[in-house]
Amino acid sequence: DAGITQSPRHKVTETGTPVTLRCHQTENHRYMYWYRQDPGHGLRLIHYSYGVKDTDKGEVSDGYSVSRSKTEDFLLTLESATSSQTSVYFCAISDSRTGPSYEQYFGPGTRLTVT
Amino acid sequence: GQQVMQIPQYQHVQEGEDFTTYCNSSTTLSNIQWYKQRPGGHPVFLIQLVKSGEVKKQKRLTFQFGEAKKNSSLHITATQTTDVGTYFCAGGSLGTDKLIFGTGTRLQVFP
Repeated sequence: DAGITQSPRHKVTETGTPVTLRCHQTENHRYMYWYRQDPGHGLRLIHYSYGVKDTDKGEVSDGYSVSRSKTEDFLLTLESATSSQTSVYFCAISDSRTGPSYEQYFGPGTRLTVT
Repeated sequence: GQQVMQIPQYQHVQEGEDFTTYCNSSTTLSNIQWYKQRPGGHPVFLIQLVKSGEVKKQKRLTFQFGEAKKNSSLHITATQTTDVGTYFCAGGSLGTDKLIFGTGTRLQVFP
């Protein structure tokens, strides 16, 4: 498995509180992604990054922000958590040097519950 | 927006039976990728197809990419209990660095 870790692995938080999830990679890959996984929806892209300080929105970005100040770290912040953000969050990485493939390698996931 | 639909959503098979999942995109794709996610695990990359009409095999798994690069299929011959999991297709969006994931097909294999 690629060197990707996510923290925390599990979190329970209350509605209205800010939450930050961390993704850390040791592969020096250029691209990093945040997805959420919900039953019946598969994996949906929240935000992604194509380099340090270079980020862009995915299809479900409302209520989320990201930051990437170092190649190895990509942070996902829920500004004010809502129950609809209860989900499993996956970080993924890919390396454009492999050509047009862009296959992605996923972290172990963070299970977030908003009560 | 661009959508990738996957059918069936769920399938039970008896061990030894074949299994197929289908993936359809609303737009032409740059490539198609397939991932497998075991229960409680994370998605794991299986394969990528790039060329129109391409067929690739991995042991009992056969992957196809349609001629129009808008659909794909994964066929498993003689399923085993180790094949249990959810299979996702993911289409490369032309001109972007993003993948659009299908909704997945959950495979259950009974011994």
